[in-house]
Amino acid sequence: GAVVSQHPSWVICKSGTSVKIECRSLDFQATTMFWYRQFPKQSLMLMATSNEGSKATYEQGVEKDKFLINHASLTLSTLTVTSAHPEDSSFYICSASDRVGDTQYFGPGTRLTVL
Amino acid sequence: GQSLEQPSEVTAVEGAIVQINCTYQTSGFYGLSWYQQHDGGAPTFLSYNALDGLEETGRFSSFLSRSDSYGYLLLQELQMKDSASYFCAVSKGRRALTFGSGTRLQVQP
Repeated sequence: GAVVSQHPSWVICKSGTSVKIECRSLDFQATTMFWYRQFPKQSLMLMATSNEGSKATYEQGVEKDKFLINHASLTLSTLTVTSAHPEDSSFYICSASDRVGDTQYFGPGTRLTVL
Repeated sequence: GQSLEQPSEVTAVEGAIVQINCTYQTSGFYGLSWYQQHDGGAPTFLSYNALDGLEETGRFSSFLSRSDSYGYLLLQELQMKDSASYFCAVSKGRRALTFGSGTRLQVQP
């Protein structure tokens, strides 16, 4: 089946720093990638949808200047959390889908802890 | 807006059958998916219903009634490893998903 990887799997950073999370589709071309955030014991909340080569579409309430998304190729999307604060600590999950399917393939997630 | 409702917790014993219901209110409905998520892990796709009726995949089955805006996930022959959170999710457009709040299933010996 299709595989999506994320890097890093976990990261701890100081408040005020920026953190970049990579999401890669390993064996298929991901025309669309999605970024989610999940707080403990809560559901996944869609943050943004990105299509290769175009600007991401952010969900209401998500600050586009704080969560920078780049989808520069058909196999890579990045999420940069700028000027991270402790309240940004969360589990960030990406998913990807190809041109054809309705199925989304999820990455393993990245746990961000901001001190 | 969009909303999906699921029970917050369900408890069952090994070998039993459990049904997790999901009702939704959303625009642009395309299909209903189900995902399993173990603590600390990412969601794993279980099933997808685009049409009314029952879809069976091994021990898991999923049902959809679009007229009732309702679906369920049926887990048979429960095993301890099935203890996890289960999310229903509505497709908004063709791919983007809105997740329900999740149902935490505890399987007891």
